[in-house]
Amino acid sequence: QQQVKQSPQSLIVQKGGISIINCAYENTAFDYFPWYQQFPGKGPALLIAIRPDVSEKKEGRFTISFNKSAKQFSLHIMDSQPGDSATYFCAATSHSGGYNKLIFGAGTRLAVHP
Amino acid sequence: EPEVTQTPSHQVTQMGQEVILRCVPISNHLYFYWYRQILGQKVEFLVSFYNNEISEKSEIFDDQFSVERPDGSNFTLKIRSTKLEDSAMYFCASSRQIEAFFGQGTRLTVV
Repeated sequence: QQQVKQSPQSLIVQKGGISIINCAYENTAFDYFPWYQQFPGKGPALLIAIRPDVSEKKEGRFTISFNKSAKQFSLHIMDSQPGDSATYFCAATSHSGGYNKLIFGAGTRLAVHP
Repeated sequence: EPEVTQTPSHQVTQMGQEVILRCVPISNHLYFYWYRQILGQKVEFLVSFYNNEISEKSEIFDDQFSVERPDGSNFTLKIRSTKLEDSAMYFCASSRQIEAFFGQGTRLTVV
């Protein structure tokens, strides 16, 4: 029940295209859903996050869509650029304890071809 | 921009030795974490630390591991009697409220 399932495992998109990564969770106590971007040899960097009281959040080219009833959320990268090539992790946590134990998905390796 | 810093960036150790991984969290953050990422796999929670004590630990975080905040700025992860399977990237993270920020990681190689 603590798992977060992420798909696809890898994704190839042409420059200018839309990249879509999906995640699903089981634990209804989760109340915060961040996405992290990781470049090789670097730590995960917080990209965008959403709480379940909204269905969509947009920051620049990055949008999270959230479906509470289906317990699914997705990351959309519009106008994908070669510089977006990285591994993307969705995560989830229940923030009730004050601290933030993140449960990560398995990751999606995105390659944006010019 | 404030960031979480980790040292060393790469540590090679002999099996059975003890290692200490160091982290300087963001200065006004209250919660500190260690995560582990085995090569090519997902990031896994190890432990969270608040108010000078462990608030939660995972099944991975057994008696081989310990954490400490020895002073007002550093946060350390000690791994005793290292095993080959401890080879991984270890990430420190910190948060003030809900947003967690990660360091660049320490690559631990046990030989």
